[in-house]
Amino acid sequence: KQEVTQIPAALSVPEGENLVLNCSFTDSAIYNLQWFRQDPGKGLTSLLLIQSSQREQTSGRLNASLDKSSGRSTLYIAASQPGDSATYLCAVNQAGTALIFGKGTTLSVSS
Amino acid sequence: SQTIHQWPATLVQPVGSPLSLECTVEGTSNPNLYWYRQAAGRGLQLLFYSVGIGQISSEVPQNLSASRPQDRQFILSSKKLLLSDSGFYLCAWKTGLGAYEQYFGPGTRLTVT
Repeated sequence: KQEVTQIPAALSVPEGENLVLNCSFTDSAIYNLQWFRQDPGKGLTSLLLIQSSQREQTSGRLNASLDKSSGRSTLYIAASQPGDSATYLCAVNQAGTALIFGKGTTLSVSS
Repeated sequence: SQTIHQWPATLVQPVGSPLSLECTVEGTSNPNLYWYRQAAGRGLQLLFYSVGIGQISSEVPQNLSASRPQDRQFILSSKKLLLSDSGFYLCAWKTGLGAYEQYFGPGTRLTVT
């Protein structure tokens, strides 16, 4: 059974710092991996989608990598800002149907 | 562009009352549709998914049910709510089976009292 783990559960950093969020999964047979952002009381916003054949994807200050063989993905956020404060969720698409989620990393960026 | 709507945004219901949450998608046809629940301290849990009208797959046994009466409409229901049904319910859609990106709606906060 696929399990997705995110470390750390919470992270506090000062503005301007570069940071890395980690995601690991137990079964490497995945279609793709998706990173989401969730603000308190809101739905999920898709940040990046990495297909199983890809190694990384970039969008603005965000860079996500995927090492399928080792069951790991990282989300790198450059020059963090207070507006980046949110919960970041990692999810894998294993069977082509629904996503399997980690419990998220709650990020707080102070000014 | 595609848009996904959910209503109501918030709901407070007594134990034993019925439930109906609605989700609609605009700007696409024949989407795969999903209901997830996010409970306090837990990750998102898949409840139901649908690949077409009238086709519903259930992932977790519970007192909830889902229906898809139209191509872009997905409804989550219950005949009698339990306290444990409280949570944040999210609807999502995807182009089809396979390696497509999944998009989420704004969610419904349900509190069962």
